[in-house]
Amino acid sequence: AQSVTQPDIHITVSEGASLELRCNYSYGATPYLFWYVQSPGQGLQLLLKYFSGDTLVQGIKGFEAEFKRSQSSFNLRKPSVHWSDAAEYFCAVGGVSGGSYIPTFGRGTSLIVHP
Amino acid sequence: DSGVTQTPKHLITATGQRVTLRCSPRSGDLSVYWYQQSLDQGLQFLIQYYNGEERAKGNILERFSAQQFPDLHSELNLSSLELGDSALYFCASSVGDTGTAYNEQFFGPGTRLTVL
Repeated sequence: AQSVTQPDIHITVSEGASLELRCNYSYGATPYLFWYVQSPGQGLQLLLKYFSGDTLVQGIKGFEAEFKRSQSSFNLRKPSVHWSDAAEYFCAVGGVSGGSYIPTFGRGTSLIVHP
Repeated sequence: DSGVTQTPKHLITATGQRVTLRCSPRSGDLSVYWYQQSLDQGLQFLIQYYNGEERAKGNILERFSAQQFPDLHSELNLSSLELGDSALYFCASSVGDTGTAYNEQFFGPGTRLTVL
């Protein structure tokens, strides 16, 4: 069965500092990997996704993520955090089961940004 | 604004009751997905419909059911409600059926269900 682990429940950074959110996955084949952001009172928004090819993926809002198969990781990074980045971040792995795509989400990491 | 609408925004009801949550997908999207987000379980995929047909099933309880209508809106029916059903229920939509290829999902703002 596929699974996703986000080991950090909360991360606090200062505005302007760099950010890395960790994500480890378990899946038997090459996974589809995603990062979503959820602002308070909002639904989830896709930041970026990895299917195949270049292991460094660029997303929206200045985010990027790197797929490392050997470490089963897909960590999210941003070189300089803005106060508006404070939100909940979810990593997800997608696998095909019986011809249908079934996504599994991590428990999320809450990002707190200090001025 | 993702273009996905969900009603109502909030719902408060009692144990044992039945409720219906409604979702209208983005214009042109044929797939609708339902998710449950709770403190206990996190974000869980419930079920997917594509053009009126059930496509994939996740961790959906037997007390829950869903359907997608000819106009492509979808309803999630929750019955015999328990305290543990209190959660945020999200709907998402995508252009196509996922199958072996992923279509980006656009999420609605959610319906917060409180069971007292």
